[in-house]
Amino acid sequence: QAQLVESGGGSVKPGGSLRLSCAASGFIFSDYYMSWIRQAPGKGLEWISYISSSGGSTYFADSVKGRFTISRDNAKNSLYLQMNSLRAEDTAIYYCARDLFKSFHGWFDPWGQGTLVTVSS
Amino acid sequence: QSVLTQPPSVSAAPGQKVTISCSGSSSNVQYNYVSWYQQFPGTAPKLLIYDNNKRPSGIPDRFSGSKSGTSATLGITGLQTGDEADYYCETWDTSLSAGVFGGGTKVTVL
Repeated sequence: QAQLVESGGGSVKPGGSLRLSCAASGFIFSDYYMSWIRQAPGKGLEWISYISSSGGSTYFADSVKGRFTISRDNAKNSLYLQMNSLRAEDTAIYYCARDLFKSFHGWFDPWGQGTLVTVSS
Repeated sequence: QSVLTQPPSVSAAPGQKVTISCSGSSSNVQYNYVSWYQQFPGTAPKLLIYDNNKRPSGIPDRFSGSKSGTSATLGITGLQTGDEADYYCETWDTSLSAGVFGGGTKVTVL
């Protein structure tokens, strides 16, 4: 059964950096597009980035473009989100999610349990 | 302000039907696939509908999806107390080159 587990969340000061990880198991990780989606406290979902199965193609929401980088290590079955120049509005639970099928459609299943990032002075 | 517009809340009695609308534009809903997610408090979202109207295995047929023009709709029939959750629509926006979610709709069973 496909499973995703995020880690790396925590508290950081504005302007700081954090690197999130997502460990995948139960499926052939290198076959699937992967995404990061976040949810601010009490707010809705916000898609922030996706990466192709090979890692050669990436997309970002305007809200994080130029500050966040998505990457993957298919040998380690892991997805990463490097977050720089963090702002208070980046405070959220960050979820990693797999695409449902082996090509990009933006249908997210499964999701990880999420990791909380708090940006505060 | 979300690119996709959903009503903040809908409600109905047990056994009844609710529909949740998701209004977008020609750069997102009209020409791209819509998916729907269910989220209970404190848990990760779960895929309910993909490709506008298809259900992943394990999702009961009480949940249905449709799309017409720039709007999509999630329907829930035979409403149960266990359906009380937040529901989100999502699609790709070609102009933004980004995924976009609706603001979410809270379903309350009266």
